[in-house]
Amino acid sequence: GQQLNQSPQSMFIQEGEDVSMNCTSSSIFNTWLWYKQDPGEGPVLLIALYKAGELTSNGRLTAQFGITRKDSFLNISASIPSDVGIYFCAGASGNTPLVFGKGTRLSVIA
Amino acid sequence: EPEVTQTPSHQVTQMGQEVILHCVPISNHLYFYWYRQILGQKVEFLVSFYNNEISEKSEIFDDQFSVERPDGSNFTLKIRSTKLEDSAMYFCARTLTPENYYNEQFFGPGTRLTVL
Repeated sequence: GQQLNQSPQSMFIQEGEDVSMNCTSSSIFNTWLWYKQDPGEGPVLLIALYKAGELTSNGRLTAQFGITRKDSFLNISASIPSDVGIYFCAGASGNTPLVFGKGTRLSVIA
Repeated sequence: EPEVTQTPSHQVTQMGQEVILHCVPISNHLYFYWYRQILGQKVEFLVSFYNNEISEKSEIFDDQFSVERPDGSNFTLKIRSTKLEDSAMYFCARTLTPENYYNEQFFGPGTRLTVL
């Protein structure tokens, strides 16, 4: 089945630093979604992308839908302690179920 | 405010027992989904449910699993005879509109199932 490679697996950064993470796939997706999950809770949708090349922001978060449709990245600017959590990318093609990456665990050191 | 509510928040059961997990949407939506997440792993699709029928299911969703919407409101996932490897977080999700069939899915808080 389709698989997403998400990197890095984990990151330790200083508060105030910018963060970048990405997802790649061997298959083309029509939709890329980025979620954040806090411990013991459900994933929360951060950004949804629907067009190749699309760049979308949500506050300090910016995500892009790769031109090839096989990748996407998420940037977080000026990180704060509450950014701590696991960030998942997810992709979908037409009417197929969401395929999730394995997540990037972000730790922010104050 | 959660998009859907899920009960119970935590379920402990003995291997071989049946469990029923509940999902209650805030408003009347058409598309629902169940996912599971084994501890420390990625979220995996189980089944999608549209207009009171299963739309699609994954390899994980075998004969031990079933879904239904018994009263037109609650959306349930039943595991007939639980196994140790069924221990996981189970998430219900929904989309806003039919056009967003598999997109922009909003997740509930999850039920943590522990099989002993």
